[in-house]
Amino acid sequence: EAQVTQNPRYLITVTGKKLTVTCSQNMNHEYMSWYRQDPGLGLRQIYYSMNVEVTDKGDVPEGYKVSRKEKRNFPLILESPSPNQTSLYFCASRATGVGEAFFGQGTRLTVV
Amino acid sequence: SQQGEEDPQALSIQEGENATMNCSYKTSINNLQWYRQNSGRGLVHLILIRSNEREKHSGRLRVTLDTSKKSSSLLITASRAADTASYFCATHSGGSYIPTFGRGTSLIVHP
Repeated sequence: EAQVTQNPRYLITVTGKKLTVTCSQNMNHEYMSWYRQDPGLGLRQIYYSMNVEVTDKGDVPEGYKVSRKEKRNFPLILESPSPNQTSLYFCASRATGVGEAFFGQGTRLTVV
Repeated sequence: SQQGEEDPQALSIQEGENATMNCSYKTSINNLQWYRQNSGRGLVHLILIRSNEREKHSGRLRVTLDTSKKSSSLLITASRAADTASYFCATHSGGSYIPTFGRGTSLIVHP
């Protein structure tokens, strides 16, 4: 089954404690992206990647890091999380060309 | 930056009625897509319309695109309670490989 898998689904952490949210897709898609969703703000892009070892900033990259060492994986790293990073995070992937994006089920992160 | 903006922000209708949502965008696009999100879940792709198309249908969904007005509409006919969700438009433009989303329209369909 074609899917994008994020882990964990829920995470409560403390300010400053490094964390990683994993994202994996099994569709051999070139493009992957991270979004955060906040009430009233919709989905905002954090980082995206066009292929292995190629990443670029989205609209709200501050406080986040990503890596793309393998085509299927695109982890989101918060080196020193802060309460303003409390949000619902989505990973998405898409194949080359004009096509739909596939989304993971989301990771609800709370930073206290 | 957010490209598309949906209108209205919220829509409440009775089962069986039609629901219409609109999306406006700012710059030229290659295509426009509509997605659906059930509460707190991932987005699911509904339909894509290319910049050279004016109308497209998929089941109970009808999408129109007016590039001169930089706007699109999504019509859900004969709505059902299961259509209750948030609906987002997303655009691809220029070298953007990943869609840019609006803030969404929250649709509630009452049984």
